Amino acid sequence: DADVTQTPRNRITKTGKRIMLECSQTKGHDRMYWYRQDPGLGLRLIYYSFDVKDINKGEISDGYSVSRQAQAKFSLSLESAIPNQTALYFCATSDPFGTGSTDTQYFGPGTRLTVL
Amino acid sequence: KQEVTQIPAALSVPEGENLVLNCSFTDSAIYNLQWFRQDPGKGLTSLLLIQSSQREQTSGRLNASLDKSSGRSTLYIAASQPGDSATYLCAVQKGAQKLVFGQGTRLTINP
Repeated sequence: DADVTQTPRNRITKTGKRIMLECSQTKGHDRMYWYRQDPGLGLRLIYYSFDVKDINKGEISDGYSVSRQAQAKFSLSLESAIPNQTALYFCATSDPFGTGSTDTQYFGPGTRLTVL
Repeated sequence: KQEVTQIPAALSVPEGENLVLNCSFTDSAIYNLQWFRQDPGKGLTSLLLIQSSQREQTSGRLNASLDKSSGRSTLYIAASQPGDSATYLCAVQKGAQKLVFGQGTRLTINP
């Protein structure tokens, strides 16, 4: 089973709708991240969380909100979706302080979101 | 603001060739540099991580180098195989584990 899972994998929605993307991990990592990827661009950081009580804005947080329900769960919400939020969204985790760990981030498979 | 650029955007080579992917970054004060592989529908997989104090890292047929002073990294793939076809992303980290990614190089290895 995958260590980092994302649901849904694909979603088509309409402008103005509220939508939530969910991320779960079984790696036991404290740190979790949400990125978006647009064609021809690299991944850009939306929000990140270093633990359940620590949530921080990334490079492009406007129009998004997050919730860290537990160590293993980190959800991303679009309160009122707009077409330019059409993108591929990735969740990632890391554990830089664990035994034998590195700074590597572990990514989920992505959620392809289309806003019409 | 840190900017990461990858050249070329796409590359197609015959199987068996050795190849080099390039990554450049504007701010040399980085914590580390990482190379990822992205396969459609499977997210990103970390290939190599080079700490700022290191010059290179090797894993199998892959070798990544880092020259902080010039703001450059290369990913060398030896004896390329069709299974190496993917998009390769370079990312630099500067504090707080925030990664700044390049646009990626889409690599196709032709049998």
